[in-house]
Amino acid sequence: GDSVTQMEGPVTLSEEAFLTINCTYTATGYPSLFWYVQYPGEGLQLLLKATKADDKGSNKGFEATYRKETTSFHLEKGSVQVSDSAVYFCALSDQGNNRLAFGKGNQVVVIP
Amino acid sequence: EAGVVQSPRYKIIEKKQPVAFWCNPISGHNTLYWYRQNLGQGPELLIRYENEEAVDDSQLPKDRFSAERLKGVDSTLKIQPAELGDSAVYLCASSLDYEQYFGPGTRLTVT
Repeated sequence: GDSVTQMEGPVTLSEEAFLTINCTYTATGYPSLFWYVQYPGEGLQLLLKATKADDKGSNKGFEATYRKETTSFHLEKGSVQVSDSAVYFCALSDQGNNRLAFGKGNQVVVIP
Repeated sequence: EAGVVQSPRYKIIEKKQPVAFWCNPISGHNTLYWYRQNLGQGPELLIRYENEEAVDDSQLPKDRFSAERLKGVDSTLKIQPAELGDSAVYLCASSLDYEQYFGPGTRLTVT
């Protein structure tokens, strides 16, 4: 079935550093791709999305490009802030059934 | 606009006891989802409703889990009896189209 793989382990980096979180997917059709963020003590929030190949989703300085040729949707931000500390989940949705398949998530810790 | 509301936020029960979680979706959202999120994992779908109809419950452990959405608005998820392995965060989400909005979740601890 459809699945999402995120890079292993937490990510710790200094304020203003460049952030990349890798995400690859396996899908039989043409899924929509998402990044969700979970701040401490809060629910999951949609960060950005892309619904077709080569689309770029962006929000709050974060970007991710839907790469069909590499089945990837890597999340990037050029200069992180302490307030970006959270858990980030990559997800895909088969447009036919609206079922979201999530990766395991990556905890990001930004140190001042 | 109010978001997805869930209660309780936390619940501790002994194994073999029953437990129920409640969810009120965003007004006007016809689709409602229940997910389970184990520690260190991403959420996994348990059941999806379109109005009052359960259209995807293939991953709901039906021997002990049940859910209802009688009037097509709020929903209840029940576990009876609970097992130690049911300890997790139970998330409710709702959507009007493909974008799902999540509630804060109920953290269940089974002792």
